[in-house]
Amino acid sequence: ETGVTQSPTHLIKTRGQQVTLRCSSQSGHNTVSWYQQALGQGPQFIFQYYREEENGRGNFPPRFSGLQFPNYSSELNVNALELDDSALYLCASSTWDRGSNEQFFGPGTRLTVL
Amino acid sequence: RKEVEQDPGPFNVPEGATVAFNCTYSNSASQSFFWYRQDCRKEPKLLMSVYSSGNEDGRFTAQLNRASQYISLLIRDSKLSDSATYLCVVNQAGTALIFGKGTTLSVSS
Repeated sequence: ETGVTQSPTHLIKTRGQQVTLRCSSQSGHNTVSWYQQALGQGPQFIFQYYREEENGRGNFPPRFSGLQFPNYSSELNVNALELDDSALYLCASSTWDRGSNEQFFGPGTRLTVL
Repeated sequence: RKEVEQDPGPFNVPEGATVAFNCTYSNSASQSFFWYRQDCRKEPKLLMSVYSSGNEDGRFTAQLNRASQYISLLIRDSKLSDSATYLCVVNQAGTALIFGKGTTLSVSS
């Protein structure tokens, strides 16, 4: 196991609602990245947080936002949910300082928007 | 053109077969290359990094051709447990991992 945990495991919401997903990074890691994986697709990069600051963002609208806390855990918030937001949301932790690109994934949160 | 393109699947092979997956990437500035494995409804897990010199890990061999922007993965002596989706991944500047769509492998007895 990677030591990366995510909560909740599953979530069902309706259109227009807001959701918060949580991620605890692996011990010793200071960087968290979030990905969205729709059914039948590869994961798509949402954004990355390094030392509590956003450190890169993919092609996602502003209603996708995030936070990283001093203990390096992170939240992904999605406002005004749309049906297409239904996906597996993956969090990955890594250590930016070492210049390593290896990212370790958590088990994901499966979000269903009705 | 997608940033990372992989062979369309699925690949259905018998146990013991050799199977090869191919992948191309569009951004010549890509710096790091990986193959991840993803089991059904699970998270992706790193299978191996890919280097220009090629690298081997047991039955798995990965190759990178920077000039052609091409990455490959060879699996020899396929096992039932190799059944999974294999994701080709590139990284440009240490932030985003760019994933291909994945190729599904099904190994049967």
